[in-house]
Amino acid sequence: DAGVIQSPRHEVTEMGQEVTLRCKPISGHDYLFWYRQTMMRGLELLIYFNNNVPIDDSGMPEDRFSAKMPNASFSTLKIQPSEPRDSAVYFCASSSQKSATDTQYFGPGTRLTVL
Amino acid sequence: RKEVEQDPGPFNVPEGATVAFNCTYSNSASQSFFWYRQDCRKEPKLLMSVYSSGNEDGRFTAQLNRASQYISLLIRDSKLSDSATYLCVVNSPSGNTGKLIFGQGTTLQVKP
Repeated sequence: DAGVIQSPRHEVTEMGQEVTLRCKPISGHDYLFWYRQTMMRGLELLIYFNNNVPIDDSGMPEDRFSAKMPNASFSTLKIQPSEPRDSAVYFCASSSQKSATDTQYFGPGTRLTVL
Repeated sequence: RKEVEQDPGPFNVPEGATVAFNCTYSNSASQSFFWYRQDCRKEPKLLMSVYSSGNEDGRFTAQLNRASQYISLLIRDSKLSDSATYLCVVNSPSGNTGKLIFGQGTTLQVKP
């Protein structure tokens, strides 16, 4: 099993540019989560999907952030326009969630730097 | 008040030491509890689930006190490879299952 795959692993961009982060969950998992991690705020849940449907996007910081899951094997997180305060590591995670105790498996993350 | 609170540390201990981390959570309706481990510049990974009766996995012991809303992790005979950040994790009891709340993490540095 390849695990959760994220791309790109590193992204450096300038303020105002559009950034798109990509995630492929583990095959067969029906929950997908997007997190952001910074030193100041720790690991924050941005949005999560169940069977490709967004369930809770209350963690999305503002309208500049959007996420989609067009099918069970692909999701994107888009920031438009990007700002320096968006610099963080963005993790995607997936789980099967047959029960509340199912493990969330994290991808390696995308390290985003906005100049 | 944060939903999950941990002492950020760092905890600096010699090899072979026993070290304990504590965590408190705010929502008494939470039902699932975990410890995740995160190595430097890596993703978090599940270390162990925490059960009401307490559970042990080798050198690691997790305890849950529902009355005090308190979770602990004990590491015995620390190894250099135990150096990492340990994240206390609690499920969000509202709405659908699946949403986890992560603490800020406690950093452990085991020294030779």
